[in-house]
Amino acid sequence: DQQVKQNSPSLSVQEGRISILNCDYTNSMFDYFLWYKKYPAEGPTFLISISSIKDKNEDGRFTVFLNKSAKHLSLHIVPSQPGDSAVYFCAASASQFYGGSQGNLIFGKGTKLSVKP
Amino acid sequence: DAGVTQSPTHLIKTRGQQVTLRCSPKSGHDTVSWYQQALGQGPQFIFQYYEEEERQRGNFPDRFSGHQFPNYSSELNVNALLLGDSALYLCASSFPPGTYTEAFFGQGTRLTVV
Repeated sequence: DQQVKQNSPSLSVQEGRISILNCDYTNSMFDYFLWYKKYPAEGPTFLISISSIKDKNEDGRFTVFLNKSAKHLSLHIVPSQPGDSAVYFCAASASQFYGGSQGNLIFGKGTKLSVKP
Repeated sequence: DAGVTQSPTHLIKTRGQQVTLRCSPKSGHDTVSWYQQALGQGPQFIFQYYEEEERQRGNFPDRFSGHQFPNYSSELNVNALLLGDSALYLCASSFPPGTYTEAFFGQGTRLTVV
């Protein structure tokens, strides 16, 4: 049973436009959410995070929105650049101990973003 | 400041053999977690080490074991390798669990079992 779902395996966007990547989760114990970017042959690189006490967090061109009632978060990249082309992973964790788990990251399967010049 | 470093970067082993992967955490981090990423999947949590003890474990068999040293570096050992163990193994370091903190990943070790 997947606790973190990224339902779009791929997304293609024109350079300069907005990229919106979506993520859904099922476990209400998750209270910290992160986005990672991964290039081939490299480890995931941390992009941006948000805790459940917020509904928005911005860092430059990247904004993450959290809708707790819908158990949904999204990553907006504006404007998109060709260098943003990579696989984006959504991850979630629980800061409190539950079910033998605390702090480890549960990842979605990723969305491959292609930004075309 | 060196980030998370893993060795080796690539490894080919034969089914039934044993393998040891190594990880040095980012400076200042004392918690190390290991993840397995199969092709087309997101990373899956194997286990986490803090204060030289395994604190949490994901849904992996006992063939997967680990160790953390006093300098916070860590090893992942896999015994009796199966073809299905072929994957990218990622090490991540962070501050202790219970804090809102991102994990920093190494570049991974690509393990191929033949």
